[in-house]
Amino acid sequence: GAGVSQSPSNKVTEKGKDVELRCDPISGHTALYWYRQRLGQGLEFLIYFQGNSAPDKSGLPSDRFSAERTGESVSTLTIQRTQQEDSAVYLCASSFSLAGAARTQYFGPGTRLTVL
Amino acid sequence: RKEVEQDPGPFNVPEGATVAFNCTYSNSASQSFFWYRQDCRKEPKLLMSVYSSGNEDGRFTAQLNRASQYISLLIRDSKLSDSATYLCVVSPGVGRRALTFGSGTRLQVQP
Repeated sequence: GAGVSQSPSNKVTEKGKDVELRCDPISGHTALYWYRQRLGQGLEFLIYFQGNSAPDKSGLPSDRFSAERTGESVSTLTIQRTQQEDSAVYLCASSFSLAGAARTQYFGPGTRLTVL
Repeated sequence: RKEVEQDPGPFNVPEGATVAFNCTYSNSASQSFFWYRQDCRKEPKLLMSVYSSGNEDGRFTAQLNRASQYISLLIRDSKLSDSATYLCVVSPGVGRRALTFGSGTRLQVQP
């Protein structure tokens, strides 16, 4: 079946502009995660959605970052007033998830964001 | 101290060699453990879960030592196609959600 898809695959923007990144999870996956990966570094957790529960936003680095998810489908990550340090690959992952348990996460190909 | 620590490498090994990676984690309540593989400029993909009793998948063997909070991955008979970054991944525990990723260990298998 189809995997996690993300769009756009690449985004170049100017400092100060807003950007919106999209993630389509695997159908039936109730959990959705956003991560950031700077060049040569590990994955940094940003936000987690699980069903209709309140999202876990504990990883968002600043109030310029926000994310939404409609039900158990598409999610969008919005970065307002982008800064050069926001340049990174933004990865989305989805999984089946039961409360209190970890499940295998399947990643999308990522959106490579470059802020000039 | 990072929650999950790995030697960044690179590990440069010849084809056919056996190589081992280690990883330590700081949260003793961690419940689930994984190794992911990430190829250059690609997304991470699950390589294998790590079980308390240790587990093997072909040339790959994973071990968990809860007392020492230590995870290992052994690759036997290395192939050129094994060249990648190997990410140690830990689930923080009940009530928490996202996985915590180590920064990865880079492996380069040479002909």
